Amino acid sequence: DGGITQSPKYLFRKEGQNVTLSCEQNLNHDAMYWYRQDPGQGLRLIYYSQIVNDFQKGDIAEGYSVSREKKESFPLTVTSAQKNPTAFYLCASSIRRTTLGHNSPLHFGNGTRLTVT
Amino acid sequence: QKEVEQNSGPLSVPEGAIASLNCTYSDRGSQSFFWYRQYSGKSPELIMSIYSNGDKEDGRFTAQLNKASQYVSLLIRDSQPSDSATYLCAVNFGQTGANNLFFGTGTRLTVIP
Repeated sequence: DGGITQSPKYLFRKEGQNVTLSCEQNLNHDAMYWYRQDPGQGLRLIYYSQIVNDFQKGDIAEGYSVSREKKESFPLTVTSAQKNPTAFYLCASSIRRTTLGHNSPLHFGNGTRLTVT
Repeated sequence: QKEVEQNSGPLSVPEGAIASLNCTYSDRGSQSFFWYRQYSGKSPELIMSIYSNGDKEDGRFTAQLNKASQYVSLLIRDSQPSDSATYLCAVNFGQTGANNLFFGTGTRLTVIP
């Protein structure tokens, strides 16, 4: 079955440690995204990548880093510089445009819940 | 400022009733609009996409778009307890090459049996 796999589902870290969240997709989608969700807030874009070896900052990129060495994979590193890292992290992918030229919807993985103490 | 506004609710409707969820957005140039459903503790799942003014129906769901008034709505007919979830409105701002979506904070819907 095609889909987006995020691992692990739950992650616990001590303050000051870097941590990497995994995201793998087998949908053959060109574009991949990382969003963060906090209680009572909408999803906020951290980074996105439209093609291998290229990525752009979203609205809240500070304290995060990404890589896109393979089409299938878009790992997110939460660094010690991120002030409030505890959150629900969602990875998504999409085709770049629909056959009619519209923006295509995002398809989400199951998320990783990160707790930093 | 790119904004997507939703009433956070909670919105409570009896089973079998019509639930109406509304969303307004700030950019008149927006072209693509999506509704996602998110159960507690889970990731969002796509319900509907709409690109043109008017209504789009899919089963019990109808999305309505009015670009002149900058609002998009979702109607759920014959609401079921399993529809109880948070509904997220997502908008792509402008016709850029990027496919980034901006999300509202969501409306929490409770369907009462």
